Amino acid sequence: DAMVIQNPRYQVTQFGKPVTLSCSQTLNHNVMYWYQQKSSQAPKLLFHYYDKDFNNEADTPDNFQSRRPNTSFCFLDIRSPGLGDAAMYLCATSLGDEQETQYFGPGTRLLVL
Amino acid sequence: ELKVEQNPLFLSMQEGKNYTIYCNYSTTSDRLYWYRQDPGKSLESLFVLLSNGAVKQEGRLMASLDTKARLSTLHITAAVHDLSATYFCAVDEETSGSRLTFGEGTQLTVNP
Repeated sequence: DAMVIQNPRYQVTQFGKPVTLSCSQTLNHNVMYWYQQKSSQAPKLLFHYYDKDFNNEADTPDNFQSRRPNTSFCFLDIRSPGLGDAAMYLCATSLGDEQETQYFGPGTRLLVL
Repeated sequence: ELKVEQNPLFLSMQEGKNYTIYCNYSTTSDRLYWYRQDPGKSLESLFVLLSNGAVKQEGRLMASLDTKARLSTLHITAAVHDLSATYFCAVDEETSGSRLTFGEGTQLTVNP
């Protein structure tokens, strides 16, 4: 059963053309996260939502925005993608209690031409 | 700033051998996670370690946590080819709505 779903799985965009990545979850988890993972690197947290509270990492570029219209959905907007934004984008969720296992979606691989 | 360091970063081993991957971190935390990632795939949760002295085992993998030493280990027993993957440890700094900092990952290759 799919628990954390990301669409699309592969996204090709042009330099400077806005793109939106989607994440949905069937776990009813309170917390949703977006990570960026570049080739052969560790995932890097961009931001997360605890319910509707948005928490931005200090070093996340302004080019990256996020929306969480309801518990199930969270979006990552890249306003003006650059070549350096090509990466795998991972969405994750967690319940928000002491057992903080994060459950990751399959990821969206973004290619910027 | 929390730093999480894994070693080795690359590990090539023969099937049937044992080895340990180490994860050191720089701040007090009693919440550590191990994930597996296959090439081009997402992260799969392996172990959640939530207290000093915690030990968890699943198949040929065993993870432990020493919060006083700020060290976690992932021990591989009698490796098989199917264990080939990248293994990440991640440390949680906060008590609610976890904020994970990942190590660089250990790329494990098990050769037949």
